[in-house]
Amino acid sequence: NAGVTQTPKFQVLKTGQSMTLQCAQDMNHEYMSWYRQDPGMGLRLIHYSVGAGITDQGEVPNGYNVSRSTTEDFPLRLLSAAPSQTSVYFCASSYGRPSSYGYTFGSGTRLTVV
Amino acid sequence: EDKVVQSPLSLVVHEGDTVTLNCSYEVTNFRSLLWYKQEKKAPTFLFMLTSSGIEKKSGRLSSILDKKELFSILNITATQTGDSAVYLCAGVDYSGNTPLVFGKGTRLSVIA
Repeated sequence: NAGVTQTPKFQVLKTGQSMTLQCAQDMNHEYMSWYRQDPGMGLRLIHYSVGAGITDQGEVPNGYNVSRSTTEDFPLRLLSAAPSQTSVYFCASSYGRPSSYGYTFGSGTRLTVV
Repeated sequence: EDKVVQSPLSLVVHEGDTVTLNCSYEVTNFRSLLWYKQEKKAPTFLFMLTSSGIEKKSGRLSSILDKKELFSILNITATQTGDSAVYLCAGVDYSGNTPLVFGKGTRLSVIA
């Protein structure tokens, strides 16, 4: 099915480990973003990309890296996991400007850092 | 810094009640406001509001934007247990090149 695919759905990491959360979309969307969602905090922007080769930081970028080598993929890397990064992570994409088209969200990755 | 504030943060109503959810925003060069519904997983799109005073409707849900007072409301009439969810609003600036700024959401619980 077309849409935004996130893997894995669940992950448990030990403090200090690194990992990559995968996000892929097959809708030829230019805009992609990563959000994290914590209880009572809503969705907070980590990083975003307006096209292949272009990325920028959001509200809470520390501890995360991204790259956008293709239109389809926008992986999020945790460099050295910390318990504060325990959260649900959502990837979202938009055909054009989010102001005009809104977002399509992936189903999320629930990450626990122990 | 752009900001979106939703109220109330949580709400419990009985089936059949009508509810109003509020969203106020401070977005530089505001362009549009979006409402999403989030049940167990990913948020799903409800409405996009760009023009002031024009109501958008979808079944029992409706929403309106007041650009002068910088707020939007989401109304749900004849609520059902299936309306139980977190409702998120998000603002976007005029360039549209920056991602959505979300509020913290309103958790609505509809009890039978």
